[in-house]
Amino acid sequence: GAVVSQHPSRVICKSGTSVKIECRSLDFQATTMFWYRQFPKQSLMLMATSNEGSKATYEQGVEKDKFLINHASLTLSTLTVTSAHPEDSSFYICSAPDREGVYNEQFFGPGTRLTVL
Amino acid sequence: GQQLNQSPQSMFIQEGEDVSMNCTSSSIFNTWLWYKQDPGEGPVLLIALYKAGELTSNGRLTAQFGITRKDSFLNISASIPSDVGIYFCAGQLWTSYGKLTFGQGTILTVHP
Repeated sequence: GAVVSQHPSRVICKSGTSVKIECRSLDFQATTMFWYRQFPKQSLMLMATSNEGSKATYEQGVEKDKFLINHASLTLSTLTVTSAHPEDSSFYICSAPDREGVYNEQFFGPGTRLTVL
Repeated sequence: GQQLNQSPQSMFIQEGEDVSMNCTSSSIFNTWLWYKQDPGEGPVLLIALYKAGELTSNGRLTAQFGITRKDSFLNISASIPSDVGIYFCAGQLWTSYGKLTFGQGTILTVHP
């Protein structure tokens, strides 16, 4: 299947700093990518849809000024957690549908563990 | 957002046993997907179902797309220790531009 990478795999930062997480589709182009957040022992909750060439679409309750999304190219989307606080500590996962595939199967990155001290 | 009802929440089984888990929804989906997530990793697609009534196998895994489009089940036969992990169902609508709705997950523990 298609490969999606994320960087970094884990990051620890001080409260008040901003953290950028990258999501790349390695062997296919992704005009759309999705960002999820997952707390321990819980399911994935969709945060936003990243659209190449246009603004991201945020799910209800997600602060767009807090979680900045930029879809810079057909293979790269970035999520910036601005002024991070301990409650932002979580596992952030991106995904991308392979629209060149027959059924637009969606592939997930390995996730980024964010810990805010 | 909307979630699928996935059950059971957790299972503790002996190696060699068969496993069954299911997801139900109050609304229909066009696609049902089953993912497995290992600790600290992203979900990996196990099986994708695209037609109501479809029964699909992937090795020891078998999944079915319910005829009403509102449910799906996943069976694992002859479980092995590496089957340990969290299993998620996910539903997708053609009109959702790729958005997935996830179930709460089933935590599977396999005792050797």
